[in-house]
Amino acid sequence: DVKVTQSSRYLVKRTGEKVFLECVQDMDHENMFWYRQDPGLGLRLIYFSYDVKMKEKGDIPEGYSVSREKKERFSLILESASTNQTSMYLCASRRGTGSPKNYGYTFGSGTRLTVV
Amino acid sequence: EDQVTQSPEALRLQEGESSSLNCSYTVSGLRGLFWYRQDPGKGPEFLFTLYSAGEEKEKERLKATLTKKESFLHITAPKPEDSATYLCAVQAGNTDKLIFGTGTRLQVFP
Repeated sequence: DVKVTQSSRYLVKRTGEKVFLECVQDMDHENMFWYRQDPGLGLRLIYFSYDVKMKEKGDIPEGYSVSREKKERFSLILESASTNQTSMYLCASRRGTGSPKNYGYTFGSGTRLTVV
Repeated sequence: EDQVTQSPEALRLQEGESSSLNCSYTVSGLRGLFWYRQDPGKGPEFLFTLYSAGEEKEKERLKATLTKKESFLHITAPKPEDSATYLCAVQAGNTDKLIFGTGTRLQVFP
Protein backbone atom coordinates (compact mmCIF):
# COMPACT_ATOMS: atom_id res chain seq x y z
CA ASP A 1 0.00 0.00 0.00
CA VAL A 2 1.36 3.40 -0.97
CA LYS A 3 2.18 5.74 1.84
CA VAL A 4 2.96 9.25 2.89
CA THR A 5 4.59 9.23 6.30
CA GLN A 6 4.88 12.23 8.58
CA SER A 7 7.51 11.86 11.25
CA SER A 8 5.48 13.05 14.23
CA ARG A 9 1.78 12.87 15.12
CA TYR A 10 2.02 15.41 17.94
CA LEU A 11 4.59 18.11 18.68
CA VAL A 12 4.79 20.78 21.36
CA LYS A 13 7.32 23.55 20.80
CA ARG A 14 8.17 26.83 22.44
CA THR A 15 7.80 30.24 20.84
CA GLY A 16 10.93 31.18 18.91
CA GLU A 17 12.12 27.61 18.36
CA LYS A 18 13.09 26.39 14.90
CA VAL A 19 10.80 23.48 14.03
CA PHE A 20 11.26 20.80 11.39
CA LEU A 21 8.35 18.72 10.09
CA GLU A 22 9.38 15.78 7.95
CA CYS A 23 7.43 13.97 5.25
CA VAL A 24 8.44 10.90 3.23
CA GLN A 25 6.55 9.23 0.37
CA ASP A 26 7.25 5.85 -1.20
CA MET A 27 5.32 6.31 -4.47
CA ASP A 28 8.05 8.02 -6.55
CA HIS A 29 5.74 11.02 -6.93
CA GLU A 30 7.11 14.20 -8.44
CA ASN A 31 4.88 16.62 -6.55
CA MET A 32 4.75 17.15 -2.82
CA PHE A 33 2.73 19.64 -0.78
CA TRP A 34 2.43 21.10 2.70
CA TYR A 35 -0.95 22.29 3.96
CA ARG A 36 -2.16 23.52 7.29
CA GLN A 37 -5.70 22.86 8.44
CA ASP A 38 -7.58 25.08 10.87
CA PRO A 39 -11.23 24.95 11.96
CA GLY A 40 -13.42 27.06 9.71
CA LEU A 41 -10.58 27.80 7.30
CA GLY A 42 -10.11 24.42 5.68
CA LEU A 43 -6.83 23.34 4.12
CA ARG A 44 -4.51 26.13 3.05
CA LEU A 45 -1.44 25.55 0.91
CA ILE A 46 1.86 26.65 2.43
CA TYR A 47 4.45 25.42 -0.09
CA PHE A 48 4.74 22.82 -2.78
CA SER A 49 7.49 21.21 -4.79
CA TYR A 50 7.30 19.70 -8.28
CA ASP A 51 10.84 18.33 -8.37
CA VAL A 52 13.94 17.87 -6.29
CA LYS A 53 15.34 21.22 -5.14
CA MET A 54 12.37 23.02 -6.68
CA LYS A 55 9.79 24.82 -4.57
CA GLU A 56 6.96 27.27 -4.98
CA LYS A 57 5.06 29.38 -2.51
CA GLY A 58 1.49 28.54 -1.81
CA ASP A 59 -1.14 30.83 -0.36
CA ILE A 60 0.34 31.30 3.12
CA PRO A 61 4.15 30.91 2.99
CA GLU A 62 5.04 33.61 5.52
CA GLY A 63 7.00 32.24 8.47
CA TYR A 64 7.74 28.95 6.70
CA SER A 65 10.40 27.51 4.43
CA VAL A 66 10.84 24.10 2.81
CA SER A 67 13.56 21.76 1.68
CA ARG A 68 13.52 18.99 -0.89
CA GLU A 69 16.95 17.43 -1.30
CA LYS A 70 15.63 13.99 -2.31
CA LYS A 71 12.57 13.06 -4.34
CA GLU A 72 10.93 11.13 -1.53
CA ARG A 73 11.40 13.68 1.25
CA PHE A 74 9.85 17.13 1.73
CA SER A 75 10.54 19.09 4.89
CA LEU A 76 8.63 22.05 6.29
CA ILE A 77 10.59 24.45 8.48
CA LEU A 78 9.16 26.98 10.89
CA GLU A 79 12.03 29.45 11.20
CA SER A 80 10.86 30.91 14.51
CA ALA A 81 7.71 29.27 15.80
CA SER A 82 4.87 31.49 16.94
CA THR A 83 1.59 30.70 18.68
CA ASN A 84 -0.41 31.48 15.52
CA GLN A 85 1.34 28.56 13.86
CA THR A 86 -0.42 26.13 16.18
CA SER A 87 -2.29 23.93 13.71
CA MET A 88 -2.65 20.55 12.02
CA TYR A 89 -0.01 20.20 9.29
CA LEU A 90 -0.69 17.84 6.40
CA CYS A 91 1.78 16.61 3.82
CA ALA A 92 0.60 15.20 0.49
CA SER A 93 2.06 13.90 -2.75
CA ARG A 94 0.83 13.14 -6.26
CA ARG A 95 2.10 12.32 -9.72
CA GLY A 96 3.19 15.16 -11.95
CA THR A 97 0.93 16.94 -14.46
CA GLY A 98 2.47 14.92 -17.27
CA SER A 99 0.81 11.79 -15.97
CA PRO A 100 -2.00 10.40 -18.12
CA LYS A 101 -4.47 10.34 -15.24
CA ASN A 102 -5.17 13.22 -12.92
CA TYR A 103 -5.16 11.42 -9.59
CA GLY A 104 -5.79 13.20 -6.34
CA TYR A 105 -3.33 13.67 -3.57
CA THR A 106 -2.29 11.02 -1.10
CA PHE A 107 -2.12 12.54 2.35
CA GLY A 108 -0.11 11.71 5.42
CA SER A 109 -1.76 11.30 8.81
CA GLY A 110 -0.89 14.83 9.86
CA THR A 111 1.18 16.47 12.59
CA ARG A 112 -0.65 18.41 15.26
CA LEU A 113 1.73 21.16 16.31
CA THR A 114 1.17 23.22 19.42
CA VAL A 115 3.37 26.28 20.00
CA VAL A 116 3.38 27.54 23.58
CA GLU B 1 -10.79 33.85 -8.21
CA ASP B 2 -11.07 30.07 -7.96
CA GLN B 3 -13.33 29.08 -5.11
CA VAL B 4 -14.97 26.03 -3.54
CA THR B 5 -17.98 26.21 -1.21
CA GLN B 6 -19.40 23.23 0.65
CA SER B 7 -22.80 22.97 2.27
CA PRO B 8 -24.10 22.28 4.78
CA GLU B 9 -21.30 22.83 7.30
CA ALA B 10 -22.69 20.06 9.46
CA LEU B 11 -25.29 17.35 8.92
CA ARG B 12 -26.87 14.99 11.42
CA LEU B 13 -28.63 11.92 10.04
CA GLN B 14 -30.40 8.95 11.50
CA GLU B 15 -29.00 5.63 10.39
CA GLY B 16 -30.65 4.75 7.07
CA GLU B 17 -31.68 8.34 6.30
CA SER B 18 -30.28 9.18 2.85
CA SER B 19 -29.05 12.67 2.03
CA SER B 20 -26.69 14.71 -0.16
CA LEU B 21 -23.72 16.97 0.42
CA ASN B 22 -23.10 19.86 -1.94
CA CYS B 23 -19.87 21.29 -3.37
CA SER B 24 -20.22 24.34 -5.59
CA TYR B 25 -17.21 25.72 -7.39
CA THR B 26 -16.03 28.54 -9.61
CA VAL B 27 -12.83 27.73 -11.41
CA SER B 28 -11.19 28.53 -14.70
CA GLY B 29 -10.66 25.32 -16.63
CA LEU B 30 -11.62 22.48 -14.32
CA ARG B 31 -9.15 19.62 -14.57
CA GLY B 32 -10.68 17.52 -11.84
CA LEU B 33 -12.95 17.56 -8.79
CA PHE B 34 -11.99 15.43 -5.81
CA TRP B 35 -13.85 14.09 -2.80
CA TYR B 36 -12.05 13.09 0.38
CA ARG B 37 -13.14 11.65 3.70
CA GLN B 38 -11.38 12.78 6.87
CA ASP B 39 -11.71 11.14 10.27
CA PRO B 40 -10.85 13.14 13.41
CA GLY B 41 -7.10 13.53 13.93
CA LYS B 42 -6.24 11.89 10.61
CA GLY B 43 -5.28 12.94 7.12
CA PRO B 44 -7.88 13.05 4.32
CA GLU B 45 -8.53 9.78 2.51
CA PHE B 46 -9.18 9.86 -1.22
CA LEU B 47 -12.68 8.81 -2.37
CA PHE B 48 -13.37 9.96 -5.95
CA THR B 49 -12.14 12.02 -8.86
CA LEU B 50 -14.61 13.46 -11.39
CA TYR B 51 -13.38 15.02 -14.60
CA SER B 52 -16.33 16.23 -16.64
CA ALA B 53 -19.98 17.23 -16.28
CA GLY B 54 -22.31 14.26 -16.22
CA GLU B 55 -19.77 11.90 -14.75
CA GLU B 56 -20.73 9.73 -11.78
CA LYS B 57 -18.68 7.51 -9.46
CA GLU B 58 -19.88 5.06 -6.80
CA LYS B 59 -18.33 3.35 -3.82
CA GLU B 60 -20.46 1.37 -1.40
CA ARG B 61 -23.08 3.81 -0.02
CA LEU B 62 -21.50 6.85 -1.65
CA LYS B 63 -22.18 8.27 -5.10
CA ALA B 64 -20.56 11.41 -6.48
CA THR B 65 -21.96 13.41 -9.39
CA LEU B 66 -20.69 16.44 -11.28
CA THR B 67 -22.27 19.32 -13.18
CA LYS B 68 -20.63 22.42 -14.62
CA LYS B 69 -21.15 24.33 -11.38
CA GLU B 70 -21.36 21.80 -8.57
CA SER B 71 -20.87 18.30 -7.33
CA PHE B 72 -23.01 16.23 -5.02
CA LEU B 73 -22.00 13.43 -2.73
CA HIS B 74 -25.08 11.26 -2.20
CA ILE B 75 -25.12 8.99 0.84
CA THR B 76 -27.63 6.17 0.64
CA ALA B 77 -28.80 4.49 3.86
CA PRO B 78 -25.85 5.75 5.89
CA LYS B 79 -24.37 3.88 8.84
CA PRO B 80 -22.64 5.29 11.93
CA GLU B 81 -19.25 4.38 10.45
CA ASP B 82 -19.92 6.90 7.65
CA SER B 83 -19.54 9.68 10.22
CA ALA B 84 -16.63 11.87 9.15
CA THR B 85 -15.82 15.19 7.53
CA TYR B 86 -16.17 15.12 3.75
CA LEU B 87 -13.92 17.46 1.80
CA CYS B 88 -14.29 18.63 -1.78
CA ALA B 89 -11.40 20.04 -3.82
CA VAL B 90 -10.85 21.25 -7.38
CA GLN B 91 -7.82 21.36 -9.62
CA ALA B 92 -7.84 24.18 -12.14
CA GLY B 93 -5.86 25.16 -15.20
CA ASN B 94 -2.31 23.98 -15.69
CA THR B 95 -1.49 23.49 -12.02
CA ASP B 96 -0.95 20.69 -9.56
CA LYS B 97 -2.52 22.64 -6.72
CA LEU B 98 -5.87 21.68 -5.21
CA ILE B 99 -8.28 24.24 -3.80
CA PHE B 100 -10.26 22.82 -0.89
CA GLY B 101 -13.64 23.64 0.55
CA THR B 102 -14.04 23.80 4.31
CA GLY B 103 -15.86 20.48 4.47
CA THR B 104 -19.15 19.02 5.69
CA ARG B 105 -19.09 17.30 9.07
CA LEU B 106 -21.45 14.33 8.90
CA GLN B 107 -22.76 12.54 11.98
CA VAL B 108 -24.87 9.42 11.60
CA PHE B 109 -26.73 8.21 14.71
CA PRO B 110 -27.95 4.65 15.29
